[in-house]
Amino acid sequence: EADIYQTPRYLVIGTGKKITLECSQTMGHDKMYWYQQDPGMELHLIHYSYGVNSTEKGDLSSESTVSRIRTEHFPLTLESARPSHTSQYLCASRKPGFMGGYTFGSGTRLTVV
Amino acid sequence: DQQVKQNSPSLSVQEGRISILNCDYTNSMFDYFLWYKKYPAEGPTFLISISSIKDKNEDGRFTVFLNKSAKHLSLHIVPSQPGDSAVYFCAACALYGGSQGNLIFGKGTKLSVKP
Repeated sequence: EADIYQTPRYLVIGTGKKITLECSQTMGHDKMYWYQQDPGMELHLIHYSYGVNSTEKGDLSSESTVSRIRTEHFPLTLESARPSHTSQYLCASRKPGFMGGYTFGSGTRLTVV
Repeated sequence: DQQVKQNSPSLSVQEGRISILNCDYTNSMFDYFLWYKKYPAEGPTFLISISSIKDKNEDGRFTVFLNKSAKHLSLHIVPSQPGDSAVYFCAACALYGGSQGNLIFGKGTKLSVKP
């Protein structure tokens, strides 16, 4: 049973629109992550947070922004969507001690037309 | 430059046989390795992990082997079952390095287990 929730699961949106991808977890984890994945490619880390009011950019440059006002909530925002943003976006959290790695949400499949 | 490499995009195996998925890494600072399984339209789920102080870890039908000198790890699934058909991602991190445990993923290997 998923303890980390992403909405929407699928989104088709026009170029230039502002969108926010939601991610919430009920496990009280401090560390949360956003990954971007294209088919047949690796997951690329685009943002991470080690706690409330802490956000960092990941290895892959992204035009998106994130916020962490509450422990359980880590939304990702694109101010002006472009076709190059079409991808799958995966949110994850990590429990203390690391053993077992990350717990991932089901992802949001974004298509910008 | 890819730090975690899965050179086989796909693998097909007969049910009941062994599946061997391979992964190579380049960063000698990596000290913890994980395998994730991903079904279409779902997020990856954790499968098994291994610390660099070990060379083998086993969990039921799944065994991960680590060869630090070769910077190579492999996942063995015995016996393979049709429900194992999925994309398998290798991931690595430097738990005690500057990256603070952020996972680096390979491109994945799509495993198909035929009945």
